[in-house]
Formats: sequence, structure tokens, C-alpha cells
Amino acid sequence: GENVEQHPSTLSVQEGDSAVIKCTYSDSASNYFPWYKQELGKRPQLIIDIRSNVGEKKDQRIAVTLNKTAKHFSLHITETQPEDSAVYFCAAARYQLTFGKGTKLSVIP
Amino acid sequence: DAGITQSPRYKITETGRQVTLMCHQTWSHSYMFWYRQDLGHGLRLIYYSAAADITDKGEVPDGYVVSRSKTENFPLTLESATRSQTSVYFCASSERNRDYEQYFGPGTRLTVT
Repeated sequence: GENVEQHPSTLSVQEGDSAVIKCTYSDSASNYFPWYKQELGKRPQLIIDIRSNVGEKKDQRIAVTLNKTAKHFSLHITETQPEDSAVYFCAAARYQLTFGKGTKLSVIP
Repeated sequence: DAGITQSPRYKITETGRQVTLMCHQTWSHSYMFWYRQDLGHGLRLIYYSAAADITDKGEVPDGYVVSRSKTENFPLTLESATRSQTSVYFCASSERNRDYEQYFGPGTRLTVT
């Protein structure tokens, strides 16, 4: 089955700096790659997704890039704010979503 | 977010007991999913359902049973709870399968003593 590796497991950045989280996947047939944000004690919520026919997608301060050849995709958050502090999960799907283990992002004011 | 609810929100039970976690959605989404979340493991799929009376196993189905007699409900039963099933359980729903947004419920924190 699909295997998704996510790095780093924890990330601390100063407010205003950029944050990058990277994921790799194993199944070359996977074609959907969402990112979910989970605040402490809350449910995961979709923040951005990308399909395999697209190389990059942006939504205000967040962007996702996909390299199908290398089988990796990344989440980029610019101008980080304290409210960006949360756990972020990447996922890949061929048949069902397989999630990475998460990255705890801390934005230091 | 009020469209998908879970009950109970917290549950403590003993090893060997049967426990049922409830999930209800009001959007008439076809697909529903059960995940467990454990520290260091992220979210792992237990079971999913494509429609009423259609269910299938996910990554970690052992020890769990599901049913879906109505589109809006998707209960998860632990037939004989074990300590390894202590976890946070999330239900989710989606209009379509894998390539569409999944909406998660608030979660149920289950402790098996």
C-alpha cells in the first residue's frame, strides 16, 4: 500500500518567517495530495490540496508544490503568524487517503 | 462543522467490554470514514463506506466492526476493547471518495483501562 513520509516532525519559526514541510510518497499512481491543519484539541481541516496534473497551487500565504518524478510534495507557509501554530498533516491518495505522521509547527512571536 | 457530529466525546471503558462510537452527518454525503489518531502515527483509516450497506476495510480494521444502514449514520463498534485501542477516533464524510475534501467530526477520546 501507499506509504507517506513527512519531515520534519517539529518545526519552530519566528513570526514573519517562512515554513516548509516536506512529504514523500511511495505509490506512483497516487494522484491527490491534500494538506490538513489540526489545532490543539480540534478536528483536522483541509487547508489546500493539489492534484497530480498540477505542479503548484497557491492560496494567499500558503502554497503546495508537487514533483511527480521524485514523488514528493511540499507545503510552504509565508509570513507566518502565531495562529499558524498547529499540527500539519500531508496525505496521498490512490484509492484512499494515507496520511503522514504530522509536523508540529510553532510560530514564535 | 456542525454537519458532522460524534458521540460520546469522551469514553472510559474496561478491557473486554463492547463499545460503540456514533457518527452522524447531515449533508447526505455518500462517503464516510473512521480514523484513529495516535501520537507518532498520524491518522490511520479503520473502515470506510461508499453508501448505505457498503463498507470496506482500511489500514487497521482488526478488532472493529462497522455498519451503515442509513446514509447519515456510521457507527463504529469495538467488540471486545483492548488497551491498544485507546486512541482518539475521528469520523469523516465526503461527497466523493479519495480526491475530495473530507470533513471531520470533533473526535471521540476513548480510554480502555
